Amino acid sequence: DQQVKQNSPSLSVQEGRISILNCDYTNSMFDYFLWYKKYPAEGPTFLISISSIKDKNEDGRFTVFLNKSAKHLSLHIVPSQPGDSAVYFCAAVFGNQFYFGTGTSLTVIP
Amino acid sequence: SAVISQKPSRDICQRGTSLTIQCQVDSQVTMMFWYRQQPGQSLTLIATANQGSEATYESGFVIDKFPISRPNLTFSTLTVSNMSPEDSSIYLCSVEDTGRGDYGYTFGSGTRLTVV
Repeated sequence: DQQVKQNSPSLSVQEGRISILNCDYTNSMFDYFLWYKKYPAEGPTFLISISSIKDKNEDGRFTVFLNKSAKHLSLHIVPSQPGDSAVYFCAAVFGNQFYFGTGTSLTVIP
Repeated sequence: SAVISQKPSRDICQRGTSLTIQCQVDSQVTMMFWYRQQPGQSLTLIATANQGSEATYESGFVIDKFPISRPNLTFSTLTVSNMSPEDSSIYLCSVEDTGRGDYGYTFGSGTRLTVV
């Protein structure tokens, strides 16, 4: 049973525009959420995280929003850059157990 | 952040053989984690490796198929035994970046395994 879902396998955005990547989860016990970015032939790189007690966390061009009532997580990238083209995984944490989504491939078009 | 060196980066193996994947961390870590990412699927935790004790395996993974060694606090190996084409995946090791304190786990670069 997939507890963390990324329903959009791919997304294309023009350079300079906003990229919004979405993630849904089913378990209300998750207490931490993270986004990872993965380039081809490399391991995932930690991007940004948010605790379940917050609804927003911002780091430069990256902002993560958490809507606990909807069990929904989103990553906003503004402005998008060609170097942001990668696969983005969301992950939810309960205890020491990580649950990953299947990833969304973002392409930023110059 | 911790730096992980993972080897090999890729391999093509014959079915029935075994492959050992190595991860070397530039700092001492208590726990190391091994993941698998099958094509089109999410990262799945195989096992957690603590130094000085047997690895803890997740449901669906067994020691005979995925033996793990953890001889010290900076090194671990995962062996994929008696391989079949279904084992074709990317395998990743990971450690917790305790210096950051925000669940920012660091991953190795991955091993892309193809079993023919």
